[in-house]
Amino acid sequence: KAGVTQTPRYLIKTRGQQVTLSCSPISGHRSVSWYQQTPGQGLQFLFEYFSETQRNKGNFPGRFSGRQFSNSRSEMNVSTLELGDSALYLCASSWTSTADYGYTFGSGTRLTVV
Amino acid sequence: KQEVTQIPAALSVPEGENLVLNCSFTDSAIYNLQWFRQDPGKGLTSLLLIQSSQREQTSGRLNASLDKSSGRSTLYIAASQPGDSATYLCAVRDYNNNDMRFGAGTRLTVKP
Repeated sequence: KAGVTQTPRYLIKTRGQQVTLSCSPISGHRSVSWYQQTPGQGLQFLFEYFSETQRNKGNFPGRFSGRQFSNSRSEMNVSTLELGDSALYLCASSWTSTADYGYTFGSGTRLTVV
Repeated sequence: KQEVTQIPAALSVPEGENLVLNCSFTDSAIYNLQWFRQDPGKGLTSLLLIQSSQREQTSGRLNASLDKSSGRSTLYIAASQPGDSATYLCAVRDYNNNDMRFGAGTRLTVKP
């Protein structure tokens, strides 16, 4: 059974550019959550989608946005990139909106902003 | 606001030792608690999931307990091996905010 797939694995962008990251959840999972991980801040919650609706949002500026499609695949977008956006971006999927069976994480996208 | 704390932040043990990692949370209103392992630069691998109504879960050499009333969980690793070296994170699914809150992790090193 395929796990959570994140693409691309690595990305290098220049300050001011925008970037789109993709996450395909495990088949049947309808909830997708996004996290940013940095050495200094640990795992920080970005947003969560369930059945194409944003259910929850973390404390990030409006430059960070996301969406979920009818097939549960999700994308997150960061506009006007800053050096501080360099991080490992992780997505996680679960069956339900309350993660009754826990989360399954993807391998992440390593974003470097130069 | 739910806060998750993990102690210790780092731990180094010789191979073969049994060890305990601690996780505490401030609000007992949770759906479940999940322990993860993360290798450097990689994603998180789920180890054990404990529902709020359960007291413990076991998988191989791992045993996780949950005391919801006191806001504590422990991850017990028996007969540690160098391959267990990784960062271990605990996370609670918070009932009130319906989100997943993570601790900062415990970085474990098992020396051969």
